[in-house]
Amino acid sequence: QKEVEQNSGPLSVPEGAIASLNCTYSDRGSQSFFWYRQYSGKSPELIMFIYSNGDKEDGRFTAQLNKASQYVSLLIRDSQPSDSATYLCAATSGGSYIPTFGRGTSLIVHP
Amino acid sequence: NAGVTQTPKFRILKIGQSMTLQCAQDMNHNYMYWYRQDPGMGLKLIYYSVGAGITDKGEVPNGYNVSRSTTEDFPLRLELAAPSQTSVYFCASSYPADGRDEQFFGPGTRLTVL
Repeated sequence: QKEVEQNSGPLSVPEGAIASLNCTYSDRGSQSFFWYRQYSGKSPELIMFIYSNGDKEDGRFTAQLNKASQYVSLLIRDSQPSDSATYLCAATSGGSYIPTFGRGTSLIVHP
Repeated sequence: NAGVTQTPKFRILKIGQSMTLQCAQDMNHNYMYWYRQDPGMGLKLIYYSVGAGITDKGEVPNGYNVSRSTTEDFPLRLELAAPSQTSVYFCASSYPADGRDEQFFGPGTRLTVL
């Protein structure tokens, strides 16, 4: 069974710090990886996707993928209180497009 | 574009009642999904569809049914509601042929079964 594992947290960081969120996956055939942000009482929204090994940067967000270690991470630089949310990691396998979601990591950015 | 819409936003059901959760998308996406999310948990896939007329079970299909007669609509039917079906239900859509299989989510339906 395909699994995506995340530490549920909460991860608490001070404002302005780097928040590091981690995710591991069990299916070696996974090819696409996504990070969704979900505010309390709201629906998930995509913030980053990554397909290739290495780093991908978008503003304050950097996604990192290591397929050999089956590990994907999300770094949030200069964390703001507005970044406080649950971050869901998801993976899809080639040809399936049906994602497997992790349980999410709760991030709290305190002033 | 309205994106993915869901109705109703909230609903309280009595045990044994039935209802249909509506979902529609106007992005011409071929893939559509139904998830449930319990407090502190991730998303669990109930059913999905890869196109009109094609549906398949996800991780937790028991107690639910779906149909997909058009590209736009993907209703979820609950028969004989049980307290275990108390949850937040999200509908989502995607268009993998576009080169990106990200999911677009509706606002959710919060269902309570008493």
